[in-house]
Amino acid sequence: GAVVSQHPSRVICKSGTSVKIECRSLDFQATTMFWYRQFPKQSLMLMATSNEGSKATYEQGVEKDKFLINHASLTLSTLTVTSAHPEDSSFYICSARAASGGLGELFFGEGSRLTVL
Amino acid sequence: GQNIDQPTEMTATEGAIVQINCTYQTSGFNGLFWYQQHAGEAPTFLSYNVLDGLEEKGRFSSFLSRSKGYSYLLLKELQMKDSASYLCAISSYNQGGKLIFGQGTELSVKP
Repeated sequence: GAVVSQHPSRVICKSGTSVKIECRSLDFQATTMFWYRQFPKQSLMLMATSNEGSKATYEQGVEKDKFLINHASLTLSTLTVTSAHPEDSSFYICSARAASGGLGELFFGEGSRLTVL
Repeated sequence: GQNIDQPTEMTATEGAIVQINCTYQTSGFNGLFWYQQHAGEAPTFLSYNVLDGLEEKGRFSSFLSRSKGYSYLLLKELQMKDSASYLCAISSYNQGGKLIFGQGTELSVKP
């Protein structure tokens, strides 16, 4: 099946620094990728939709200047958490569909656990 | 808007059958997904229903009734490794293909 790779799997950073997380579709092209955040014991909350070649679409309540998303190619989307604070510590997961038109299963990356000290 | 409801926790016995229900409200329904997630890991795909009826895949089956806004995931011959969180998610035509997840059901399988 389709594979989505996410890197890094774990990252620890100091408060105030920025962290970049990469999401790659390894064997298919993804014009759209999705970024989710998951706090402990909670479900996945959609943060934004990453669109290749255009600006990301953010969900209500998600700060676009804090969570910078870049989708420069059909196989790569990046999420940069800027000026990270301890409350940004979470499990960040990207996902993508292999099929166009918004149909078909969503494949997930392995997730990136961010800890901000 | 969209609303998805599923039980928070369930407990079942190894070898038994368990049914996890999911109810939803949305416009432009375009499919319902079930995912399994073990602690600390990313979700893995289990099933996809877009038409009414039962989809069977090995020990797992998923049912959908669009008129009732209702789905269930049926797990047979439970194994200890089935202890995980089970996430119900829906896709809508007017939401650009994104998946919105329910709160998840934490299933504990006991010996």
